[in-house]
Amino acid sequence: DQQVKQNSPSLSVQEGRISILNCDYTNSMFDYFLWYKKYPAEGPTFLISISSIKDKNEDGRFTVFLNKSAKHLSLHIVPSQPGDSAVYFCAEKTSYDKVIFGPGTSLSVIP
Amino acid sequence: DSGVTQTPKHLITATGQRVTLRCSPRSGDLSVYWYQQSLDQGLQFLIQYYNGEERAKGNILERFSAQQFPDLHSELNLSSLELGDSALYFCASSVGRTGELFFGEGSRLTVL
Repeated sequence: DQQVKQNSPSLSVQEGRISILNCDYTNSMFDYFLWYKKYPAEGPTFLISISSIKDKNEDGRFTVFLNKSAKHLSLHIVPSQPGDSAVYFCAEKTSYDKVIFGPGTSLSVIP
Repeated sequence: DSGVTQTPKHLITATGQRVTLRCSPRSGDLSVYWYQQSLDQGLQFLIQYYNGEERAKGNILERFSAQQFPDLHSELNLSSLELGDSALYFCASSVGRTGELFFGEGSRLTVL
């Protein structure tokens, strides 16, 4: 069964420091991993993705790292800003077009 | 604004009833996904349609059904409702196959 795990339900970081959000997965047959951000009372919004053939993707303050041997990926936010406070979901896009979400990590960036 | 429209935004009904949630995808998007988010839970994948055909299925209950119409809008039908069906139901659409989804604001269903 496909599983996407985010073992930290919450994370607090000081403004300006690095935020590192982690995600583990069990299914090796994926095309992409994606990160979504969700504010209360809104739908999730796409943040950044990485394909299965890469180990790093960077977009401005956001970088995603993929370690296929460990079945682990992480999202780095540098520098963290108060507006980054939200719930972050890791999601797996499989070869069969399913997009499976992890349970989410709530990030609080403290001014 | 993601371009995905979901109606109704809020719905309160009683156990045993049936409701229909509607989703209009972004213009040009052929895929529609449905997700359920219960209180303090993650997004549970229900079902995906592509250009009118069912493409992928998740843990969707037999009491639930969905379809995508020729104009590409989609409906999620929930019947014999139970208290545990109270949740936020999200629809998302996409144009490609990268997993980049555009979500609506959700339909909040409360079953009393």
